[in-house]
Amino acid sequence: DAGVIQSPRHEVTEMGQEVTLRCKPISGHNSLFWYRQTMMRGLELLIYFNNNVPIDDSGMPEDRFSAKMPNASFSTLKIQPSEPRDSAVYFCASRGPKQFFGPGTRLTVL
Amino acid sequence: GENVEQHPSTLSVQEGDSAVIKCTYSDSASNYFPWYKQELGKRPQLIIDIRSNVGEKKDQRIAVTLNKTAKHFSLHITETQPEDSAVYFCAASLRGTSYGKLTFGQGTILTVHP
Repeated sequence: DAGVIQSPRHEVTEMGQEVTLRCKPISGHNSLFWYRQTMMRGLELLIYFNNNVPIDDSGMPEDRFSAKMPNASFSTLKIQPSEPRDSAVYFCASRGPKQFFGPGTRLTVL
Repeated sequence: GENVEQHPSTLSVQEGDSAVIKCTYSDSASNYFPWYKQELGKRPQLIIDIRSNVGEKKDQRIAVTLNKTAKHFSLHITETQPEDSAVYFCAASLRGTSYGKLTFGQGTILTVHP
């Protein structure tokens, strides 16, 4: 099992650009989570899906953030337009029943 | 919703000593309690977990204990080594057929001095 796969691993972009982060959960896991981690705010849950359906998006910081899960093997987190304060490490995780994290995407918005 | 408090926020020990990290949770319906270790620049990794029908679980040098009545659980690391240095997170959730979210503690920075 390859574990949770995320791409890209690093992303550097300029303020105002659209950013798309991708995640492939572990096969058979039916819950998928998107987290953001910074030194200041720690590990924050942004949104999670169960059986491809968004269950709780209360952690999404604002309308610039959106997430989709079109099928059981793929999810995206999109930021449009990006801002410097979005710079963070974004983790995807899947659960079923144990939860495992992907390697993360380090996002830098200049 | 669930709230998880974790203490201490930092812990410094000498190599070979034991380390204990404690967490309390608020929702008595929570029944699954995992612990994660995050090394610098890496992802959080699951190191041990416990369900509410078990009071203690061990895996080599690490153990977790659970007190359902008091709603707290603890991570115990014995014979600490420098490679145990990391941030440790506790978490709590309901464990059922629809796997919900984990509520994480704020983390404990453990430093093991050689």
